Amino acid sequence: AQSVTQPDIHITVSEGASLELRCNYSYGATPYLFWYVQSPGQGLQLLLKYFSGDTLVQGIKGFEAEFKRSQSSFNLRKPSVHWSDAAEYFCVIRSGGSYIPTFGRGTSLIVHP
Amino acid sequence: NAGVTQTPKFQVLKTGQSMTLQCAQDMNHNSMYWYRQDPGMGLRLIYYSASEGTTDKGEVPNGYNVSRLNKREFSLRLESAAPSQTSVYFCASSTGAGSNQPQHFGDGTRLSIL
Repeated sequence: AQSVTQPDIHITVSEGASLELRCNYSYGATPYLFWYVQSPGQGLQLLLKYFSGDTLVQGIKGFEAEFKRSQSSFNLRKPSVHWSDAAEYFCVIRSGGSYIPTFGRGTSLIVHP
Repeated sequence: NAGVTQTPKFQVLKTGQSMTLQCAQDMNHNSMYWYRQDPGMGLRLIYYSASEGTTDKGEVPNGYNVSRLNKREFSLRLESAAPSQTSVYFCASSTGAGSNQPQHFGDGTRLSIL
């Protein structure tokens, strides 16, 4: 069975500070990997995805993520956080032959002015 | 450029009432999904439809039924609503298995059952 762990339920950062949200997964091979953002009262929006190739992927809104096979991790980063980045972030994996993604529980990002 | 459209956006029901949540996608996707989101629980899959004409149970199907009306539309029905079904419901669609493409989500239906 595959699983996704987002160890941080809440993270608080100051505006302008750097951000790293952690994601670890358990799966026998390399799955498809995704990060989504959910702003309050909204649906989930795709930030970025990884399925092969360069292990550092760029996404929208200035986010990037790095896939590390040896650590089974896919951490999300942003060099300078803006107040509008306050939201819930979900790490998601899916195996190639499956219809069903596996979601992490989410990390809530709080941004202080 | 609609993507995934859910109706209604908000609904208040009394215990025992029934209702149907509607979902439509215009991306020619094969697979569609219904999730519920509760505080601290993340997203939990209720039902999914891998392709037109098929539906399967997800993690939390009890109390719900679904209909894949055609390739575009996938509805979720609560036959006899219970307070435990108070939640935010999301519909999603995707190309399907074997594809590396992500799911696309609607904006949700916020459902309160009194």
